Amino acid sequence: SQQGEEDPQALSIQEGENATMNCSYKTSINNLQWYRQNSGRGLVHLILIRSNEREKHSGRLRVTLDTSKKSSSLLITASRAADTASYFCATDKGTDKLIFGTGTRLQVFP
Amino acid sequence: DSGVTQTPKHLITATGQRVTLRCSPRSGDLSVYWYQQSLDQGLQFLIQYYNGEERAKGNILERFSAQQFPDLHSELNLSSLELGDSALYFCASSPWTGPLNTEAFFGQGTRLTVV
Repeated sequence: SQQGEEDPQALSIQEGENATMNCSYKTSINNLQWYRQNSGRGLVHLILIRSNEREKHSGRLRVTLDTSKKSSSLLITASRAADTASYFCATDKGTDKLIFGTGTRLQVFP
Repeated sequence: DSGVTQTPKHLITATGQRVTLRCSPRSGDLSVYWYQQSLDQGLQFLIQYYNGEERAKGNILERFSAQQFPDLHSELNLSSLELGDSALYFCASSPWTGPLNTEAFFGQGTRLTVV
C-alpha cells in the first residue's frame, strides 16, 4: 500500500521558475526522503529529513517537514530542463520498510 | 553509478513461465529491498532482506519469492507469470536497517515483459 501521496501528480514550468511538490503521509515516521527518477531509470536519492527536523537544504533543493500535518514539501529553485523527472517521497512508516508515494512528474521547458 | 547491479536488464518471457532476477548490492550494504513499478505507476514495495534474513514484507504475491545469500546478493523469483506482472523491478540496497536512517541506492532495474 502507498504511504505517501504526492501533489500535484504533474507539474509543468519554464526554466528559471521554482517547482514545489508536496507529499502527505498517513502514519508516524522516523524519516522522510525524496528521490528523483528519470524516465525508466533507477531512483536517485536527493535528500533525507529526520522527523525532528523542520527544514533542510541541499543545493537548489529545499525540503520542509511538518509532522503535525504529516506532510512534506520539496522546492526546486531556479529549475533547469535537466530537472525534468519524476519525484517521489518515501517514508519508513516507523518501521524498516521504505514506502514510496505515487510521484510528481515534473516537466521543465527550456 | 549507484553501485547496485541488477541483471538482466531486460527479460521477455511467456505467461506461465518462471524467471529469476538478480541483485548485487553496494559493497558493505547489508539491506536489500525489492520494488515493482508498473507503467507510469509508483513503486510497490515487495520485500526487504537484512543480512540474509527477511526483514519486512510488502505487497508481494505468493507466486513471488526472494532470498538473500551469504554473499549478500539477492534474487527475486517470479513464477506462473501473468501479463500483469510486466513491470520494472528495482532492487535497492542500504547500509543498515531500523530505524531507517540512511538513503537507499537503486539499481537500474530489470524490465520484465510477459507475453
